Amino acid sequence: VLTQSPATLSLSPGERATLSCRASHVVDSYFLAWYQQKPGQAPRLLIYDISKRAAGIPARFSATGSGTDFTLTISSLEPEDFAVYYCQHRDNWPPSGTFGQGTRLEIK
Amino acid sequence: QVQLQESGPGLVKPSQALSLTCTVSGDSLMNDNYYWVWFRQHPEKGLEWLGFIFYTGTTYYKESLRSRISISVDTSKNQFSLNLRSLTAADTAVYYCARESGRGASDVWGRGAMVTVSS
Repeated sequence: VLTQSPATLSLSPGERATLSCRASHVVDSYFLAWYQQKPGQAPRLLIYDISKRAAGIPARFSATGSGTDFTLTISSLEPEDFAVYYCQHRDNWPPSGTFGQGTRLEIK
Repeated sequence: QVQLQESGPGLVKPSQALSLTCTVSGDSLMNDNYYWVWFRQHPEKGLEWLGFIFYTGTTYYKESLRSRISISVDTSKNQFSLNLRSLTAADTAVYYCARESGRGASDVWGRGAMVTVSS
């Protein structure tokens, strides 16, 4: 189980956003990813392998973590960053995927 | 540019089966760097991983759906498909197909197909 916090984060453009994803057991692989989803759209991959930015993702997005605690940081919010963010872990064996319940990042 | 497109019925009756197809363009399903995945998202809810297939036909499914789900691949058409049986209203969702790197991250997604289970 992945638990994301907070459920909702209200910030202003230019502020720093810190989103948390906590696993119920130690994540024994690097298969931890973060996605951004806007209304009516498919999720967009931001981060893979815990901390690697996907192609075309701006440098203001960064992520860290290990064990059970993972963090996505947006250094300075742009208007287009307000969306829902999900973390995902895929177990290596047997393969299965789990998502957090999401953090809604809204404009304050 | 890699693109995925879901197709299938938007409305299915309870107890019936759902069949969705994902057509891939710009990449080959026989690319052994990737798995081909199905997800769903219930209305106003989070994302759910359903399962994936490798081009060889090897499949892995979400444990709780194992008795009702199957994923298949047609490499000649560059398509893969989801079949979900014994539908209930709880299966009403947007269904997405995607490409996964094999390291748990899905970098290309279809736009999603809304499926409603209702009589």
